[in-house]
Amino acid sequence: QVQLQQSGPGLLKPSETLSLACSVSGASITTAFYWHWIRQPPGETLQWLGSVYHSGTTYYDPSLKSRLTVSVDTYTNRFFLQLRSVTAADTAVYYCARAPVDKDLDYWSQGNLVIVSS
Amino acid sequence: DIQVTQSPSIVSASVGDKVTITCRASQTIPVRLAWYQQKPGKAPRLLIYKVSTLESGVPSRFSGSGSGTEFTLTINSLQPDDFATYYCQQYGSYSRTFGQGTKVEIK
Repeated sequence: QVQLQQSGPGLLKPSETLSLACSVSGASITTAFYWHWIRQPPGETLQWLGSVYHSGTTYYDPSLKSRLTVSVDTYTNRFFLQLRSVTAADTAVYYCARAPVDKDLDYWSQGNLVIVSS
Repeated sequence: DIQVTQSPSIVSASVGDKVTITCRASQTIPVRLAWYQQKPGKAPRLLIYKVSTLESGVPSRFSGSGSGTEFTLTINSLQPDDFATYYCQQYGSYSRTFGQGTKVEIK
């Protein structure tokens, strides 16, 4: 059974860097999947942030590209998000998810609320 | 970026009703459209991908259709477990955008 488990802080101050990790079990991160980060501000819709392939190829939402880095570690079967210079607008539930090449986001993490507040 | 717009934003329905949700894209999406169901405090669940392909384990009362810029999610004979928020999403060109969501609530 595929599982994605997130880890990272729940509270940050403005201007800090948000670092999240997503551990994948039940599937190898080197198989034909893209690995994604999505967030959902309270009461709002979902926002796709970026994705990474096991080769290291990345894709980003243009509005976040200057602050966002998504990376992968094939040895530990994990992928990561770094979002720099956070503000209150980055407060959201963050999810990691998997997308096979022939469909879309089929497995998701449980989601973690990240609050940015001074 | 391709934008997707859902309507209506809220549907009030009863068990056994047929519910239809529409998703319009700002430009043509070549079959790369998906639908998700989300319940409060939970991650979204993939229901349909490639416009009309049912994800494994999803009941057959859910169906998707459409082409070009207009797409539809239909729930036939609404069940108590179906009261949730539904999102469409386009996934072309290595980026994704979600609709604003449609909440299906009990009438």
